[in-house]
Amino acid sequence: NAGVTQTPKFQVLKTGQSMTLQCAQDMNHNSMYWYRQDPGMGLRLIYYSASEGTTDKGEVPNGYNVSRLNKREFSLRLESAAPSQTSVYFCASRRTVEAFFGQGTRLTVV
Amino acid sequence: ILNVEQSPQSLHVQEGDSTNFTCSFPSSNFYALHWYRWETAKSPEALFVMTLNGDEKKKGRISATLNTKEGYSYLYIKGSQPEDSATYLCAFNPSDYKLSFGAGTTVTVRA
Repeated sequence: NAGVTQTPKFQVLKTGQSMTLQCAQDMNHNSMYWYRQDPGMGLRLIYYSASEGTTDKGEVPNGYNVSRLNKREFSLRLESAAPSQTSVYFCASRRTVEAFFGQGTRLTVV
Repeated sequence: ILNVEQSPQSLHVQEGDSTNFTCSFPSSNFYALHWYRWETAKSPEALFVMTLNGDEKKKGRISATLNTKEGYSYLYIKGSQPEDSATYLCAFNPSDYKLSFGAGTTVTVRA
């Protein structure tokens, strides 16, 4: 049982490059989330998807786009990476109770 | 932006001592309050999810209480052990599926 799988685990981008972070869950969860973790700031919600076919902005959506490809997959896209987007990104999913997290993607934008 | 605040930001506890810390959240549109434990280099893992005013949950030496009317929750650690060292996150879950986290309380237990 893989749970929540994020790829890649590490990535270095140059300013202005684009990339997509992938997230997949095998627990048949309806809701999926993308967070970023910065020192002293806990987890900040970027986007979430309450169910397949819906997405909503979280607290810090600027500079990001998301796609809920199907019930299993929720991707996060950086169209033009900026140094301020250097962070650790976590994907999470839940049915109705607790959330389950992926292992995180450490992204550095230089 | 949902204001979920945790205090203190960090605390140091002597092994064997008990401690507690707070999470405050909006008192309107309440669905659930979550507590997660987050160890360095790992992913957050759920401790408790509480939905009812007055809820009390317990897992081993860790327990939590919930007051939805005034918008706060306490997490208690009894007889702290070095393995309790972690960051403890609370998350507010209003009725629209959003799950917003506080900045966390980092607990360091000294042997």
